[in-house]
Order: sequence, then C-alpha cells, then structure tokens
Amino acid sequence: QQPVQSPQAVILREGEDAVINCSSSKALYSVHWYRQKHGEAPVFLMILLKGGEQKGHEKISASFNEKKQQSSLYLTASQLSYSGTYFCGTGDYGGATNKLIFGTGTLLAVQP
Amino acid sequence: DAGITQSPRHKVTETGTPVTLRCHQTENHRYMYWYRQDPGHGLRLIHYSYGVKDTDKGEVSDGYSVSRSKTEDFLLTLESATSSQTSVYFCAISDQHRAKRYEQYFGPGTRLTVT
Repeated sequence: QQPVQSPQAVILREGEDAVINCSSSKALYSVHWYRQKHGEAPVFLMILLKGGEQKGHEKISASFNEKKQQSSLYLTASQLSYSGTYFCGTGDYGGATNKLIFGTGTLLAVQP
Repeated sequence: DAGITQSPRHKVTETGTPVTLRCHQTENHRYMYWYRQDPGHGLRLIHYSYGVKDTDKGEVSDGYSVSRSKTEDFLLTLESATSSQTSVYFCAISDQHRAKRYEQYFGPGTRLTVT
C-alpha cells in the first residue's frame, strides 16, 4: 500500500538533472511531493491531481500519470540547495480527510 | 511559514510511562495529523483529526491515542511507552478550503527516546 519510490538514493554534481519516481498499487487521486533536509521538517513542494497535469516549482517539475498510478519529480540543473530527502505522498480520495500515504523517500545529494 | 509548534521538542522517558505530545497551530486549519518517522519507513500516519472531537486511526495507531478539544490543539498520548515507540514525531495541518488545496504543513518535530 505504501508507494514505492525509486531510486532510493542518487548523487549528482551541480547542474545535473535527476528524476525521482513514485509508483502506487492503488488508484490515485492526488500525489504530493515534499523535501526534507536533515534534522528539519518536510516542506511541501507541489501537488498534482488526477488528470495528468504537470506542475512546476522553480526548476523542479512533476508529472502524474493516473492510468499507470505513477508520478515523477524532475529536478533540472540541480543546485546544492536541492540536497535532501524527497517524499511522495499519495491520496486515494480528495475528500474530507486528505489522508496521505508516504513513500520511504529518495535521498538526493548534490555535490559541488 | 505556517504557525505550528510542537512540545516538547525532545523527550527521554522510561518504558511503561505515559507520554503526551502537543501540537499547537495558529492557522485555524481544520485537519491535523500525527506522523512518526523512522529510518527506512518514511512518514507513517498514526492518527488524524478532521475537526474538534473528530479523530480517526491511521496506519500505525496501536499504542497511541489522540484528543482534540479545540481547533488549535491536537494531543498525542502514548499510554505506556515502549522502546519501539522511539521515533521522531511530526504534526501536520491542512485545510481543504484554501487556494493551495490540501497541502500539509509540518511542525518542527519531537524526538522521543524510550529507554
């Protein structure tokens, strides 16, 4: 039931691109992406709703394929500040409670 | 930043003792959540609230109870702490009727160690 994220970890040089995938075995209504730096709270990046929309946040964008029950997060021209652990949270219902189930995370390290 | 505080921020307690963690918000958000975070497991939902006195279980609720007597406070209680409850606990809030729709804001976390 917990969404599967891949890869588990990735190391980049500044300026390189990365893709983080989130896959669920359940039908999805929404996918949320968060970034967490070491010792801090998760911070919201973006939300994608059923409909295949793509959203962007600075040089970070994401897509949502509801038929495949997958979402991908694209980090373009990575910066040192992008380092952290990225979590996807999946919602199977966009109604009252907004309960999310989070993946186990992808550790991203950007090196100079 | 959303106005969410958690107290205490750090706590060490002994096995078998009761522990209460507090989450306080100043955003008047309707929905509040308690998560625990452990290495290799990501964030797992313990309990959540969809209004004052309205709560329900999450995926890892055994050994935990919650209460919400007013909008701004959501309490998580470990009735009899065990070593398996050593973790970092995060509170989050959300509101369905805002323009940003359903995003969750997280508090700073409470690091709990049960010895």
